[in-house]
Amino acid sequence: DGGITQSPKYLFRKEGQNVTLSCEQNLNHDAMYWYRQDPGQGLRLIYYSQIVNDFQKGDIAEGYSVSREKKESFPLTVTSAQKNPTAFYLCASKETSGEGKNIQYFGAGTRLSVL
Amino acid sequence: QKEVEQDPGPLSVPEGAIVSLNCTYSNSAFQYFMWYRQYSRKGPELLMYTYSSGNKEDGRFTAQVDKSSKYISLFIRDSQPSDSATYLCAMIKGGSEKLVFGKGTKLTVNP
Repeated sequence: DGGITQSPKYLFRKEGQNVTLSCEQNLNHDAMYWYRQDPGQGLRLIYYSQIVNDFQKGDIAEGYSVSREKKESFPLTVTSAQKNPTAFYLCASKETSGEGKNIQYFGAGTRLSVL
Repeated sequence: QKEVEQDPGPLSVPEGAIVSLNCTYSNSAFQYFMWYRQYSRKGPELLMYTYSSGNKEDGRFTAQVDKSSKYISLFIRDSQPSDSATYLCAMIKGGSEKLVFGKGTKLTVNP
């Protein structure tokens, strides 16, 4: 089955620690996205990538980093500089051409909490 | 003024009711409109995708876009307890890579 896999489902971070959230897709989509969701805040864009080895900052990139070494993978690192990392993190992907180019498909999410 | 406004609810209805969910937006450049459904602790799933003004129907769901009023709606007929979820509107400008989301409306359908 094609889809987007996020792991782990739950993650705990200690003070001063960097943690990495995994996102893998087998939909052959070129573009991938990371969002943060807080209660009452909706989805906010952290980073996005339209092609391998290239990515752009979203609206709330501070304290986060990404890489895009493979088309299928777009990991997100939450660094110690992110002072309020507790949130639900969502990865999405989409085509960049054709009728589906505006539709993003989401993974099941990773819930990050601070110990 | 926020680009997309959506009443967060919560909205509680009896089973079988017709549900109306709405979003307003301020930027007339938005061309493509989506509704996502998100169950608790899950990722959003696409329900409806529409382009420009008009109606689109899919089973019990109807999406309506009024670009002149900058207003979009999602209607759910014969609502079921399984429809209990948060509904997110989203929209995008032509040629843009960024979806803009409403904050979501939490719906509960009571048996």
